[in-house]
Amino acid sequence: GAGVSQSPSNKVTEKGKDVELRCDPISGHTALYWYRQSLGQGLEFLIYFQGNSAPDKSGLPSDRFSAERTGGSVSTLTIQRTQQEDSAVYLCASSFSGTAGTQYFGPGTRLLVL
Amino acid sequence: EDQVTQSPEALRLQEGESSSLNCSYTVSGLRGLFWYRQDPGKGPEFLFTLYSAGEEKEKERLKATLTKKESFLHITAPKPEDSATYLCAVQFGSSNTGKLIFGQGTTLQVKP
Repeated sequence: GAGVSQSPSNKVTEKGKDVELRCDPISGHTALYWYRQSLGQGLEFLIYFQGNSAPDKSGLPSDRFSAERTGGSVSTLTIQRTQQEDSAVYLCASSFSGTAGTQYFGPGTRLLVL
Repeated sequence: EDQVTQSPEALRLQEGESSSLNCSYTVSGLRGLFWYRQDPGKGPEFLFTLYSAGEEKEKERLKATLTKKESFLHITAPKPEDSATYLCAVQFGSSNTGKLIFGQGTTLQVKP
């Protein structure tokens, strides 16, 4: 079956612009995660959605970052007023269970802020 | 502080030369330890999940083991196609979030 898909695969933007990154999870997966991978650094948790529960936003680095998940499926990560330090690979993952399930990752969106 | 540390950062092996990668963790209430493989320009690919000390999982040339403080990824007779970055991650605590905390990874290069 289809895996996690993300779009765009690459995004180049200018400092100060807003960007939207999209994630389509594996069908039937109730949990969805966003992570960030900066050059030379490990994966950093950003936000987690599980069904209709309130999302865990504890990893969002600033109020410029927000995410939503519509209809329990597709998710959009929005970065407002982008800064150069936002340049990274943004990875989405999904799992059957939010508390103990194996997470399957998408290919990522490579964001470059000039 | 909750932490996941992988060693070595980089490892170069000759084809057929077996070795082990280490993942040590200091977290309270481990609920699961995960190994992923990541190729350049791609997302992490799931390899194994381990839930309790003493557990072992195998897949082809890879074998993952877990103790109360660390996990090892043993690579037996590696081939050049095993070259990748191997990531370790943990789920822990009593909260209802399944977020993963990742180590920095070990970059493995296997030369023919």
